[in-house]
Amino acid sequence: DAKTTQPPSMDCAEGRAANLPCNHSTISGNEYVYWYRQIHSQGPQYIIHGLKNNETNEMASLIITEDRKSSTLILPHATLRDTAVYYCIVSANRDDKIIFGKGTRLHILP
Amino acid sequence: NAGVMQNPRHLVRRRGQEARLRCSPMKGHSHVYWYRQLPEEGLKFMVYLQKENIIDESGMPKERFSAEFPKEGPSILRIQQVVRGDSAAYFCASSPGGTFNQPQHFGDGTRLSIL
Repeated sequence: DAKTTQPPSMDCAEGRAANLPCNHSTISGNEYVYWYRQIHSQGPQYIIHGLKNNETNEMASLIITEDRKSSTLILPHATLRDTAVYYCIVSANRDDKIIFGKGTRLHILP
Repeated sequence: NAGVMQNPRHLVRRRGQEARLRCSPMKGHSHVYWYRQLPEEGLKFMVYLQKENIIDESGMPKERFSAEFPKEGPSILRIQQVVRGDSAAYFCASSPGGTFNQPQHFGDGTRLSIL
């Protein structure tokens, strides 16, 4: 079973920041938080990952709480092309398989 | 810089035939993973391979399914005597492996339809 909890769906207006929460209260010290997304009919796309510190790349920012029990993925200026299912995954990723949960279905509204 | 390449993108088979799905990992990646997504369901892990070795096949059905990743050439997922329930999208992912902190990168999948 997935070790994360995410809301099943969220809406966000185009141009606004989309904030996707994830709870991972049983995360271990060596486990990273990864985010992937799956746009309809495409393969999952890696977005970002982190261990303790906040991370930012060209796609998104990842905010991890100090106790590491939850995190938030931020898409700073959402576009219609960001409509997708977003998966939050915790893994030590030492060549480990990914256990996908149900994710959050994000709808970007025009 | 080519990503993970899967072919064919779409495959149609009749019940009882064999299906072969191919996956070429990203350049420099030696670890391959196969996942299956049934219609309206989530992604499920099937098998994890390194060159010439199966590392974890805990998600593979016990019969009719096999996977290989030879020293040369792509990884192959083989389904013998296909049935209607095998209709799904099959995704391959690859990673460099060997260290922590390496995300998997996915191909766009093969959509298998069984008539």
